[in-house]
Amino acid sequence: EPEVTQTPSHQVTQMGQEVILRCVPISNHLYFYWYRQILGQKVEFLVSFYNNEISEKSEIFDDQFSVERPDGSNFTLKIRSTKLEDSAMYFCASSELAGAYYEQYFGPGTRLTVT
Amino acid sequence: AQSVAQPEDQVNVAEGNPLTVKCTYSVSGNPYLFWYVQYPNRGLQFLLKYITGDNLVKGSYGFEAEFNKSQTSFHLKKPSALVSDSALYFCAVSPQGGGNKLTFGTGTQLKVEL
Repeated sequence: EPEVTQTPSHQVTQMGQEVILRCVPISNHLYFYWYRQILGQKVEFLVSFYNNEISEKSEIFDDQFSVERPDGSNFTLKIRSTKLEDSAMYFCASSELAGAYYEQYFGPGTRLTVT
Repeated sequence: AQSVAQPEDQVNVAEGNPLTVKCTYSVSGNPYLFWYVQYPNRGLQFLLKYITGDNLVKGSYGFEAEFNKSQTSFHLKKPSALVSDSALYFCAVSPQGGGNKLTFGTGTQLKVEL
């Protein structure tokens, strides 16, 4: 069964450093998402991406965040200057098309620790 | 704004007994409702969804959920729990016509014991 994959599984970085989290969505999927979960809190939507453009973003997704599909398979989340409060589990997801009829498939997550 | 509440942090049930994991929602208009499960070191796996139609929705691994509009609930159920069902369960909502954003609850840890 096809899966969404994410690398690395755990990233430790110092405050102020840039990080790039990588995801490989399912190959025939067209919509891509990032969510995050701060320890002990809810899974929160960050951004959705379609046709090389952001289609929706949350208030969390400020100028420090960016997303990119640099090639035909990868989807990345960049945090320009990390803060302590960015420490969280980051989940990538993809769906075949838009709308609730098309389930979002999630990757295993990247645990980001900012020290 | 849409929101989901999962009132129980943990549910314990004996193997073979029925289980219920509770979820209530708040959304403008008609909701799309989902259940996901997370096993250790794995991503969120889709279990089932309610879009429209029959209020009782059947999903993977013998799970089902009942949509109750008057109580704004979407409780997850299984007639006979297995130890392998032990995992973290998330309820999520997406508003009809409101894009693809999923709003999740805080999750409920299900523990099934022998």
